[in-house]
Amino acid sequence: SAVISQKPSRDICQRGTSLTIQCQVDSQVTMMFWYRQQPGQSLTLIATANQGSEATYESGFVIDKFPISRPNLTFSTLTVSNMSPEDSSIYLCSASGTGQDEQFFGPGTRLTVL
Amino acid sequence: QKEVEQNSGPLSVPEGAIASLNCTYSDRGSQSFFWYRQYSGKSPELIMSIYSNGDKEDGRFTAQLNKASQYVSLLIRDSQPSDSATYLCAVKGGGSNYKLTFGKGTLLTVNP
Repeated sequence: SAVISQKPSRDICQRGTSLTIQCQVDSQVTMMFWYRQQPGQSLTLIATANQGSEATYESGFVIDKFPISRPNLTFSTLTVSNMSPEDSSIYLCSASGTGQDEQFFGPGTRLTVL
Repeated sequence: QKEVEQNSGPLSVPEGAIASLNCTYSDRGSQSFFWYRQYSGKSPELIMSIYSNGDKEDGRFTAQLNKASQYVSLLIRDSQPSDSATYLCAVKGGGSNYKLTFGKGTLLTVNP
């Protein structure tokens, strides 16, 4: 399975600011995804990060709020823009390889917005 | 709306017992099924995947799939305190649908 790292592991941010989360995979992968996990809740898919094209967003998530980049097959970023306390959550990156259904997760980024 | 439902828990079992975790899904076209374990404060860890009807065993873990009943389960034999975690059921649709839909998870506590 791929080894996935995320930076930062946690951050405390002020309302109205933006934070960019980085996700690095140790091998080339076909699919990369960004999830949100709010306290005590399950995982909600934010978007699929597509290499070389715009991300595919799920219902309720928009590009202006969560811009995503994926410049190559091993790296992606998620930005949480104009943050409010409701954005306080754990943000998780996952990846799956070519022809594989299994997704593996990074360690997550714990975001607190004051 | 594709849904994945898990028994709400929390589930508490004594050490050495069998823990049984259940999951049902609404999309009859689903093809791939996964169980993730998530320790408190950690990210989900894939522990089992199952693609065809029947049982799949891996050590103390057995996944069971019944597509006709749209039901998937995870049995943990000889439960250990280290198995205490939230278990998430995830389902992938068929064809080119690559997205996973997660259940809300079942919190398992194994008491020494």
